[in-house]
Amino acid sequence: AQRVTQPEKLLSVFKGAPVELKCNYSYSGSPELFWYVQYSRQRLQLLLRHISRESIKGFTADLNKGETSFHLKKPFAQEEDSAMYYCALSVPSSGSARQLTFGSGTQLTVLP
Amino acid sequence: GAGVSQSPRYKVAKRGQDVALRCDPISGHVSLFWYQQALGQGPEFLTYFQNEAQLDKSGLPSDRFFAERPEGSVSTLKIQRTQQEDSAVYLCASSQMANFDNEQFFGPGTRLTVL
Repeated sequence: AQRVTQPEKLLSVFKGAPVELKCNYSYSGSPELFWYVQYSRQRLQLLLRHISRESIKGFTADLNKGETSFHLKKPFAQEEDSAMYYCALSVPSSGSARQLTFGSGTQLTVLP
Repeated sequence: GAGVSQSPRYKVAKRGQDVALRCDPISGHVSLFWYQQALGQGPEFLTYFQNEAQLDKSGLPSDRFFAERPEGSVSTLKIQRTQQEDSAVYLCASSQMANFDNEQFFGPGTRLTVL
């Protein structure tokens, strides 16, 4: 069965410092990975997906199949980055859809 | 346009009561997902609909949980004889198509508390 692990429940950094949120996965198939973010009092929303290889709000994430990791990074954290971040793995479901398996999340706090 | 909406936003039930949670997906979205999020955990998959067809219900924790989407739009998640362990936030998500790279748009969730 697939599994997503986010080892840090809480992470605090100072504004302007680099930040890395860790995500490791276990899955026997070809992984499709995502980062979702939930800002305070807002709904869960997609931040980025590995297949797009894009940078959103300064965040990037590289899939490392050898280490089965998909860490989220930003070189200079901003206070508005404070939020709950979830790493998610997309696995096949029925009818060509794919369901998401989420990690337990990391609460990021960026201090002034 | 309007996003995914869910009602009620909060529900308190006494143990043993039945509850019904509603999800209004984004208009025209083919796929609809239900997730359960316990306190301090990430969302966990419950069930998936493609239009009105429930194609995957592998995540439903027991036969007390039942979901339907009779006309391929609004969906209802019903929990019979609620138990304390059912207390969680129930999230609904919809996506335009069924492909993996179609973004899932989440609703605000319904927080269920079973006393």
